[in-house]
Amino acid sequence: NAGVMQNPRHLVRRRGQEARLRCSPMKGHSHVYWYRQLPEEGLKFMVYLQKENIIDESGMPKERFSAEFPKEGPSILRIQQVVRGDSAAYFCASAGASDTDTQYFGPGTRLTVL
Amino acid sequence: KQEVTQIPAALSVPEGENLVLNCSFTDSAIYNLQWFRQDPGKGLTSLLLIQSSQREQTSGRLNASLDKSSGRSTLYIAASQPGDSATYLCAADSGGGADGLTFGKGTHLIIQP
Repeated sequence: NAGVMQNPRHLVRRRGQEARLRCSPMKGHSHVYWYRQLPEEGLKFMVYLQKENIIDESGMPKERFSAEFPKEGPSILRIQQVVRGDSAAYFCASAGASDTDTQYFGPGTRLTVL
Repeated sequence: KQEVTQIPAALSVPEGENLVLNCSFTDSAIYNLQWFRQDPGKGLTSLLLIQSSQREQTSGRLNASLDKSSGRSTLYIAASQPGDSATYLCAADSGGGADGLTFGKGTHLIIQP
């Protein structure tokens, strides 16, 4: 039973480029969460999705950031026109049928913006 | 809005000691509280999850307690080993899924051989 998969593990982008981060939840999980860990800070919740629906995006910056979890395929966190301040580790977590189920975390994608 | 604080921010102890990491949260209406371990440059490993109706959970040398009324949780590590060196994160689930988990900034633990 594979855990939560994230790719790429490391991503380097120049300012102004787009970053696309992928998350494949554990088999049978229909809830996906994205978190961001800035240097020297704790993990911060960004967005909570179920298949084809954004349930809560209260932690997502209003501009340049978007997320989706299509019916087929992984969840995508997309950052347009990246800036240096976007450099961080982005973690995805998945949970089972209930939104109170334990969240299982992926290994993270470390984004570096040059 | 839930806030989670972890004390101390860093801790260095000799191998073999028992130690306690502290976590406090401002909103006692939580569904559960979870302790994670994070190694440098790595993801999160779940250590213990305490449901709101529980007082403690144990796994091997680890014991986590929860006191909702006072807004506190502790992680007790017995007979510490150099392999326990990592950052330990406490996270409160106060939204039942919505809002995600609220994390503390962690305690960076070093066990000296």
